[in-house]
Amino acid sequence: QLQLRESGSGLVRPSQTLSLTCAVSGGSINNGAFTWTWIRQPPGKGLEWIGYMSRSGSINYNPSLKSRVTISLDRSRNQFSLELFSVTAADTAVYFCAAEGGDGQLDPWGQGTLVTVSS
Amino acid sequence: DIQMTQSPSSLSASVGDRVTITCRASQSISTYLNWYQLKPGKAPKLLIYFASGLQSGVPSRFSGSGSGTDFTLTISSLQPEDFATYSCQQSYSTPRTFGQGTKVEIK
Repeated sequence: QLQLRESGSGLVRPSQTLSLTCAVSGGSINNGAFTWTWIRQPPGKGLEWIGYMSRSGSINYNPSLKSRVTISLDRSRNQFSLELFSVTAADTAVYFCAAEGGDGQLDPWGQGTLVTVSS
Repeated sequence: DIQMTQSPSSLSASVGDRVTITCRASQSISTYLNWYQLKPGKAPKLLIYFASGLQSGVPSRFSGSGSGTDFTLTISSLQPEDFATYSCQQSYSTPRTFGQGTKVEIK
């Protein structure tokens, strides 16, 4: 059974880089059935799709974040990562990783990690 | 971007009630519509995929319907564990977009 788990710094200074990792267990990140996705939820707001990367390296980012975001795969560690540059308080959110299946459904998800941007 | 609008934003209901949540897309998305259950501190859970497909392991009291721009999530008999926030998501195009969520509270 595929399981995902986020890790990374819970506090980031303004203008710095947010870095998170999603460890994949119970399956391989090389599984072509999935694209590896990041989503976030700011406090009191709805979910926002950040972007995804496929096994083949195909990448798609939300245009609202495209200039500041990088998603990458680490096949040797069976994990994928998110970097968000030049963060501000508006980037404070719970960040989730998830696997997107063939019809675009997200399953499973990690349980999320809160990242606070503050000095 | 395709805008997803859910209604209501919140509702109060009792155990055993039938609950209906709607989701409207700003343009046709065929049946590329998914529903999730969100609870604080837990991994979001896929309930319904492709508008009406019941995800494995999800109780049959959950059902989804619709196509084009209008979709519905129905809980036929609300259970205590169903008090949560529900969010729709379109997977017709990128960027993927979500509804703002519907919080189901105890009456």
